[in-house]
Amino acid sequence: NAGVTQTPKFQVLKTGQSMTLQCAQDMNHNSMYWYRQDPGMGLRLIYYSASEGTTDKGEVPNGYNVSRLNKREFSLRLESAAPSQTSVYFCASSDSGLEFMNTEAFFGQGTRLTVV
Amino acid sequence: ILNVEQSPQSLHVQEGDSTNFTCSFPSSNFYALHWYRWETAKSPEALFVMTLNGDEKKKGRISATLNTKEGYSYLYIKGSQPEDSATYLCALKTSYDKVIFGPGTSLSVIP
Repeated sequence: NAGVTQTPKFQVLKTGQSMTLQCAQDMNHNSMYWYRQDPGMGLRLIYYSASEGTTDKGEVPNGYNVSRLNKREFSLRLESAAPSQTSVYFCASSDSGLEFMNTEAFFGQGTRLTVV
Repeated sequence: ILNVEQSPQSLHVQEGDSTNFTCSFPSSNFYALHWYRWETAKSPEALFVMTLNGDEKKKGRISATLNTKEGYSYLYIKGSQPEDSATYLCALKTSYDKVIFGPGTSLSVIP
């Protein structure tokens, strides 16, 4: 059972380059999330998607775009990478809806991105 | 912007000591409170999901309580072991689909 799979695991970009981080889950979850993790700041929500076809901004959306391609996949795109986007990025998924209030989020292994 | 706070930021305890951390959150828009354990180089893993005021959860030596009216949750570890060393995150579910994390408490258990 793969759970949440992120690719790539590591990436180095030059300032101004673009890239897409891929995330897929096989748990049939409705909600998917992208977080970034920076020292001393925990996990900050970039974007989330409550269901296929919907996306919403989180705490730190600037400089990112997302796409909920289907129920399984939620991608994060950096159109023009900046050094401030150097971080570890985590994708997560969970059941959503009032009937799933007791369910937790499941995380991918993370993508370590360095922008030079 | 909703603010989830955790204290202390970091903690060093001797093996065998008991310890506790605090998570504070705005009590409005509360749907659920999660606790996660995050080991270095791994992904966060859920410990507890709590939804009701007065909830108490327990898993082995770790337990948690929840007060939704005053907006806080405590995580307790009894008899800390070196394998308990990790960052402990709390997260507030503010609607049926949005989860906001606190900054975490980093625990180091010294053998």
